Amino acid sequence: GQQVMQIPQYQHVQEGEDFTTYCNSSTTLSNIQWYKQRPGGHPVFLIQLVKSGEVKKQKRLTFQFGEAKKNSSLHITATQTTDVGTYFCAGDKAGTASKLTFGTGTRLQVTL
Amino acid sequence: NAGVTQTPKFRVLKTGQSMTLLCAQDMNHEYMYWYRQDPGMGLRLIHYSVGEGTTAKGEVPDGYNVSRLKKQNFLLGLESAAPSQTSVYFCASSYPGQGVLYYEQYFGPGTRLTVT
Repeated sequence: GQQVMQIPQYQHVQEGEDFTTYCNSSTTLSNIQWYKQRPGGHPVFLIQLVKSGEVKKQKRLTFQFGEAKKNSSLHITATQTTDVGTYFCAGDKAGTASKLTFGTGTRLQVTL
Repeated sequence: NAGVTQTPKFRVLKTGQSMTLLCAQDMNHEYMYWYRQDPGMGLRLIHYSVGEGTTAKGEVPDGYNVSRLKKQNFLLGLESAAPSQTSVYFCASSYPGQGVLYYEQYFGPGTRLTVT
């Protein structure tokens, strides 16, 4: 079946440092979504990418969808303590009625 | 507008006991999902529904049953709980708006289940 892997599993940064998490799918995706889960909370939707090579920005967050639509990345510039949480990518294979396959997640810890 | 709600929030079961987790959404969403989350495993889809009266198996359906008798509710049942079902369970819903191909999922707060 479809597999979606994320690296790294965990990253600890000092506030102000940059952070990147990578997402790789074993199959081509129709779209990819990113979610953030704060400690003790539930996943919250961040963004969706649909087009090959698409890049979207949300303030300090930059999301990219690979040309082959099999990988994606999330880059955070100048991390803040409010960025703490686990970031999940989730891929939707074409024709699966919005049935997402979630990646394993990257847990981000930010300290002062 | 409460969004997606789940009951109960916490539960401890003994092996072999049964229980039902309730998910309710007030956003008129067509699609509903049940996931389990285990450390290092991300979110895994148990069952999902694309409309009232329909259900389908996800990635890890064994040991679980579901029902969607009303559009706003999606029930997850454990007939005979096992320690391997200790997990955090999340319900989610999404809406396939007209002309929209892809749509985000809205998650409930989760149910923490321990089976001893």
